[in-house]
Amino acid sequence: QKEVEQDPGPLSVPEGAIVSLNCTYSNSAFQYFMWYRQYSRKGPELLMYTYSSGNKEDGRFTAQVDKSSKYISLFIRDSQPSDSATYLCAMSPSGNTGKLIFGQGTTLQVKP
Amino acid sequence: SQTIHQWPATLVQPVGSPLSLECTVEGTSNPNLYWYRQAAGRGLQLLFYSVGIGQISSEVPQNLSASRPQDRQFILSSKKLLLSDSGFYLCAWSSGGPGTDTQYFGPGTRLTVL
Repeated sequence: QKEVEQDPGPLSVPEGAIVSLNCTYSNSAFQYFMWYRQYSRKGPELLMYTYSSGNKEDGRFTAQVDKSSKYISLFIRDSQPSDSATYLCAMSPSGNTGKLIFGQGTTLQVKP
Repeated sequence: SQTIHQWPATLVQPVGSPLSLECTVEGTSNPNLYWYRQAAGRGLQLLFYSVGIGQISSEVPQNLSASRPQDRQFILSSKKLLLSDSGFYLCAWSSGGPGTDTQYFGPGTRLTVL
């Protein structure tokens, strides 16, 4: 079993839809959770960073962590064609280890 | 602000040839540095990470090696490339302090071994 599971998709939605992207994990020691967005043939860029449980909102993006269920989500409201990319979840057991565990990535296509 | 550079952007090499990919970071000191490989349709595989000059940890046994000759320079090398070395190579950095697992990625190098 992989430490982090993420449905690779692809996920196709119409413009304006609410998108839900998810990851599950098995290591209860994970404390730091991140979402990266990767456009085709580009390096991943940090989108959201969350410590422990709870929600974090940034514009149209909301990151949610449920440590009891070992489940994290990224919600995108009012999705735009420019949101079409691969979304990678990443997590770490503690600060200063420097090593992240990544999900496989979910490919999202937002159709105009 | 911090900037990370990688070059070359694209590389096509024959099997058995050597490899040298370079990564440099600007605007920070003593960063943690990482090399990842991303195969088509797959996630990120950590190859090497470094917490300081000359300190390299290898995550996956392979015919690749890494070196950190300067604080903000990270080099990925191979003496003889294999077909299986093809992929998208990404360099990343983090600040290395407490609660700073966040990594920032470079633009990547797309390597094709023929």
